[in-house]
Amino acid sequence: KNQVEQSPQSLIILEGKNCTLQCNYTVSPFSNLRWYKQDTGRGPVSLTIMTFSENTKSNGRYTATLDADTKQSSLHITASQLSDSASYICVVMHSGYALNFGKGTSLLVTP
Amino acid sequence: NAGVTQTPKFQVLKTGQSMTLQCAQDMNHEYMSWYRQDPGMGLRLIHYSVGAGITDQGEVPNGYNVSRSTTEDFPLRLLSAAPSQTSVYFCASSYSRIADGYTFGSGTRLTVV
Repeated sequence: KNQVEQSPQSLIILEGKNCTLQCNYTVSPFSNLRWYKQDTGRGPVSLTIMTFSENTKSNGRYTATLDADTKQSSLHITASQLSDSASYICVVMHSGYALNFGKGTSLLVTP
Repeated sequence: NAGVTQTPKFQVLKTGQSMTLQCAQDMNHEYMSWYRQDPGMGLRLIHYSVGAGITDQGEVPNGYNVSRSTTEDFPLRLLSAAPSQTSVYFCASSYSRIADGYTFGSGTRLTVV
């Protein structure tokens, strides 16, 4: 069964600190992996997308990594801001174009 | 440029009632889709469309109908609402099904009592 598992389920960090969110998947065959940010009461917003041949991609203070061999990805947030408080969702696209969504990691950045 | 617009934002229905969730996009995207988001679960695909006049079922299509008469609009119809359909519904669009990023609407929170 194609699955996407994210950890931790929730995380609290102090403003200015860095953090790393994890995503493990069993989706096969793999097409691409996406990270989305979802603010409370809003729809998800795309942060990054990586294909099989890419192992890192950045979007401002967000850096995603991908290890297609171990089927693991991480999202690293640098110098966190209060506005980073949100749910971060890992999404893996199957080669048949189906999207498999993780349950998300809820991040709270405190002053 | 409004992006993806969903209406209404909130709705309460009684069991057995029918209603239509509206979704419109102004980006000339061919691909549009509907998802539901439930607590403790990832988003699940209900129906999708790869262009006007073409629709197909997703992972959880039962109890929902869709149509795509224009490129801009992709309404989701609940035929006879059930409490199990209480959820947050998101519409998303993109240039194609495999396009880089989907643009999501802000969601409709539906409660069926």
